[in-house]
Amino acid sequence: AQSVTQLGSHVSVSEGALVLLRCNYSSSVPPYLFWYVQYPNQGLQLLLKYTSAATLVKGINGFEAEFKKSETSFHLTKPSAHMSDAAEYFCAVTSGTYKYIFGTGTRLKVLA
Amino acid sequence: GAVVSQHPSWVICKSGTSVKIECRSLDFQATTMFWYRQFPKQSLMLMATSNEGSKATYEQGVEKDKFLINHASLTLSTLTVTSAHPEDSSFYICSAPPLIGSDSPLHFGNGTRLTVT
Repeated sequence: AQSVTQLGSHVSVSEGALVLLRCNYSSSVPPYLFWYVQYPNQGLQLLLKYTSAATLVKGINGFEAEFKKSETSFHLTKPSAHMSDAAEYFCAVTSGTYKYIFGTGTRLKVLA
Repeated sequence: GAVVSQHPSWVICKSGTSVKIECRSLDFQATTMFWYRQFPKQSLMLMATSNEGSKATYEQGVEKDKFLINHASLTLSTLTVTSAHPEDSSFYICSAPPLIGSDSPLHFGNGTRLTVT
């Protein structure tokens, strides 16, 4: 069975500060991992994905995530937060099928 | 890029009526589409897998007679909430894989906010 844990349902950062959203996974097989962003009343937009290639993955809007097998983590970071980054972020895991397991989400608030 | 279109964005209906939600893949063919449900401030839960030309596969606990899924073509899947009740009020999101291959990520529609009064 697979699972995803996102630590911190709410994260607040100042504009220009580092963004760090945590995701830990559990999987008995090599996982595929994804980060999605959701704006209010909208669907999910893919930020980045890890599919067993490079462990440091760069995504859109300046986000990146590093796959650390030893820590079973896939944390999302961005060096400098922008007001437009305020949204809900979801980490998801799959074993290679399209049955994604989503985390409970982290709501990012960016303070001016 | 690959786009999944969902319609309507918002719908309000009376208790006991049925509501149909459409999910279209705009620039690719999708033999499989997925329907998710998202309660307020919660994560997405997979409801069912829609298969073109065959019956949908429902997740455990999802009533197939209440949530009717039809995948009539390679670009269209519909979800019909039958005899809707207030507890069916939720955000419904469809998704589809634009490319063959398990490392190709799902693309999501913009969702449908259903409110049953």
